[in-house]
Amino acid sequence: TAGITQAPTSQILAAGRSMTLRCTQDMRHNAMYWYRQDLGLGLRLIHYSNTAGTTGKGEVPDGYSVSRANTDDFPLTLASAVPSQTSVYFCATKGGDTGELFFGEGSRLTVL
Amino acid sequence: GQSLEQPSEVTAVEGAIVQINCTYQTSGFYGLSWYQQHDGGAPTFLSYNALDGLEETGRFSSFLSRSDSYGYLLLQELQMKDSASYFCADPHSGGYQKVTFGIGTKLQVIP
Repeated sequence: TAGITQAPTSQILAAGRSMTLRCTQDMRHNAMYWYRQDLGLGLRLIHYSNTAGTTGKGEVPDGYSVSRANTDDFPLTLASAVPSQTSVYFCATKGGDTGELFFGEGSRLTVL
Repeated sequence: GQSLEQPSEVTAVEGAIVQINCTYQTSGFYGLSWYQQHDGGAPTFLSYNALDGLEETGRFSSFLSRSDSYGYLLLQELQMKDSASYFCADPHSGGYQKVTFGIGTKLQVIP
């Protein structure tokens, strides 16, 4: 089973360019999340979506936007990338009563 | 808001027992989760405590005390492959809509 697929795996981007990180799931989970992970700062929530058609802001939403047109897809867009957005980005879904998160393999983004 | 605090680093000897603590300050708390992440990999779910007490899964156990706003992950019979980062998390924060993580504890297992 694919589970959660993120693309690209890795990307180098010039500052000022736009970029969309893709996330697709096949688990039919309603809730989806985007996190960024930086050394010493743990996993910080960027945006989330509890169901198709709704989104919400997390801890560090500035500079990022998301959409949730259907259950399976939750893309993250950087409209005009800046070097401080260099990070590893994880997409996740939440399923079950335990609130277990299922993570994609991550997308490593470098903004120069 | 929600905050979860845990030590940044812990070192332990192979075969020993190690405890990773997590204290939290959240509103509307439902339970505490733990995740493991190896370098270069994605976090993976270990456990969830909704009730006070100890939950055991093989060599790993997790404990929760709601009255103390405190939990811990206990790893027994440590193996070298247990070297990883461990995160505590509130899986139902922000009115059940968000998942908030601690900064993670990097565990180094030494021979």
